[in-house]
Amino acid sequence: NAGVTQTPKFRILKIGQSMTLQCTQDMNHNYMYWYRQDPGMGLKLIYYSVGAGITDKGEVPNGYNVSRSTTEDFPLRLELAAPSQTSVYFCATRRDLVSGNTIYFGEGSWLTVV
Amino acid sequence: GENVEQHPSTLSVQEGDSAVIKCTYSDSASNYFPWYKQELGKGPQLIIDIRSNVGEKKDQRIAVTLNKTAKHFSLHITETQPEDSAVYFCAATGNFGNEKLTFGTGTRLTIIP
Repeated sequence: NAGVTQTPKFRILKIGQSMTLQCTQDMNHNYMYWYRQDPGMGLKLIYYSVGAGITDKGEVPNGYNVSRSTTEDFPLRLELAAPSQTSVYFCATRRDLVSGNTIYFGEGSWLTVV
Repeated sequence: GENVEQHPSTLSVQEGDSAVIKCTYSDSASNYFPWYKQELGKGPQLIIDIRSNVGEKKDQRIAVTLNKTAKHFSLHITETQPEDSAVYFCAATGNFGNEKLTFGTGTRLTIIP
């Protein structure tokens, strides 16, 4: 049981390039989230999804896009990368609001934009 | 929306002593308060949580207390050990109808051997 798997672990992008951070979960959780963590800061919510086909913006969605075509996958797309998007990105899942509130995090993806 | 403040940002404690981290929240409708531990290079992991119908919860050396009237909650670690060194995050969220978890800014705890 892998839990929440994020790829890649590390990536360096040039300004203006695009890329997709992949997130896959095998826990059959309905809710999925993307957070970013800047040095010395807490976790800021980028986008989240309450189920396949449904996505919504978090606190800091600008410059990002997501899709949720399946329960398992929740990719995060960066278009026209900017230095301000240098950060650590965490994908997370939650079963639902009825049976449990525990959020499970992936190991993180370190992104540097130069 | 919810705003969570966490103090202190760094904390150094002698091994064997206790550590206390405090958080305040703004939304009186919040009713679930988890604490996460993040080790270097890893994602945050849940260590303990508390719901608003409970004032205190313990799990071995860690405990969390909640004061709903004052809108603050605290993490207590007793008999600290070197492996307790990490960054700790508090968070707050509502339950039904609230899908988002708001995090504090984190506390870097260092245990001095």
